[in-house]
Amino acid sequence: EAQVTQNPRYLITVTGKKLTVTCSQNMNHEYMSWYRQDPGLGLRQIYYSMNVEVTDKGDVPEGYKVSRKEKRNFPLILESPSPNQTSLYFCASSLSVRQPQHFGDGTRLSIL
Amino acid sequence: AQKVTQAQTEISVVEKEDVTLDCVYETRDTTYYLFWYKQPPSGELVFLIRRNSFDEQNEISGRYSWNFQKSTSSFNFTITASQVVDSAVYFCALSVNDYKLSFGAGTTVTVRA
Repeated sequence: EAQVTQNPRYLITVTGKKLTVTCSQNMNHEYMSWYRQDPGLGLRQIYYSMNVEVTDKGDVPEGYKVSRKEKRNFPLILESPSPNQTSLYFCASSLSVRQPQHFGDGTRLSIL
Repeated sequence: AQKVTQAQTEISVVEKEDVTLDCVYETRDTTYYLFWYKQPPSGELVFLIRRNSFDEQNEISGRYSWNFQKSTSSFNFTITASQVVDSAVYFCALSVNDYKLSFGAGTTVTVRA
């Protein structure tokens, strides 16, 4: 089954404790991206990747890091999480940004 | 810079009413792609439609229809004879050549029985 898998689905943690949200897709997609969803703001792109080893900032990259060492994986790293990063996060993949995105089920992060 | 505006935050209708969701976009590029996604209460994001900037034909899919007008930079979405299952948050999105994808703030549609 074609899918984008995010883990964990839920996480409550404390300020400053490094965390990684994993994202994996099995569709051989070149384009992958991360979004955060906040009430009233819709989805905002954090980082995107056009292919292996090629990543770039989206609209809200501050406080986040990503890497794309393999085509299927695109982890989101919060090196020193802060409460303003409490949000619902989605990973997505597609053949390109011009194609429909396949979204993961989301990860709800709460940073206390 | 690219931007998507969904001015309607929430719309509430009674079942069988029609509902139109507005989407206005901004871009200086001549080549771009527009999308609509649905997020039902269960939370997943579901793709509905894609339209490129060279194709201004309107589209109908069942009770859903889309009106793309480059002259007004709008890509509006109409649900005809709404049903309770249409209750969701609907997002309009825009991609241009710099690989970014921009979403609007979303419109929450509530269909009451």
